Amino acid sequence: EVQLVESGGGLVQPGGSLRLSCAASGFTFSSYEMNWVRQAPGKGLEWVSYISSSGSTIYYADSVKGRFTISRDNAKNSLYLQMNSLRAEDTAVYYCAREGGTYWGQGTLVTVSS
Amino acid sequence: DVVMTQSPLSLPVTLGQPASISCRSSQSLVHSDGNTYLNWFQQRPGQSPRRLIYKVSNRDSGVPDRFSGSGSGTDFTLKISRVEAEDVGVYYCMQGTHWRAITFGQGTRLEIK
Repeated sequence: EVQLVESGGGLVQPGGSLRLSCAASGFTFSSYEMNWVRQAPGKGLEWVSYISSSGSTIYYADSVKGRFTISRDNAKNSLYLQMNSLRAEDTAVYYCAREGGTYWGQGTLVTVSS
Repeated sequence: DVVMTQSPLSLPVTLGQPASISCRSSQSLVHSDGNTYLNWFQQRPGQSPRRLIYKVSNRDSGVPDRFSGSGSGTDFTLKISRVEAEDVGVYYCMQGTHWRAITFGQGTRLEIK
């Protein structure tokens, strides 16, 4: 069974940092592209970042470019999102999703507030 | 970036009646490989999104056949032939053709009238 489990969310002050993790199981993680998608409270879905299966190709939404860094460790079946210089507008549930949106995790809530 | 525009944004439907959601893109979603990467997702209250349809009209495993997708180029539709209570939630279209910047529609909230 495919599982994606996010962790690392929490409350952080504006300007602070957080590192999200997504643990994958039930499939050959190293063969799949991965994405981070977020959803602000009561709002729609917003794509955040993409990483290719090898990690060699990476893209970001303009709203997070220069502040967020996506990475992966295929040996550990894990996806990461390093979030720096956090702003109030980054408050959201962050989901990791396998390529094409075939599978999603349960999400982890990030709250940026003083 | 490609802008995805859904309509309506709110959709009250009587149980057993059909429902239709439109999704229009600001650019053609036909990829250079010939595929059209337009997907539909359902998000039930309190749950993560679930993919229903991929590449315009292909139903994912386990998705009831009352859900169907159609369209081409810039104009796409998700149809539910007979709405059931479990269909309540928000539906999103998503384009993956211009994959340097994946984009979602605003979402359509389906409720039972």
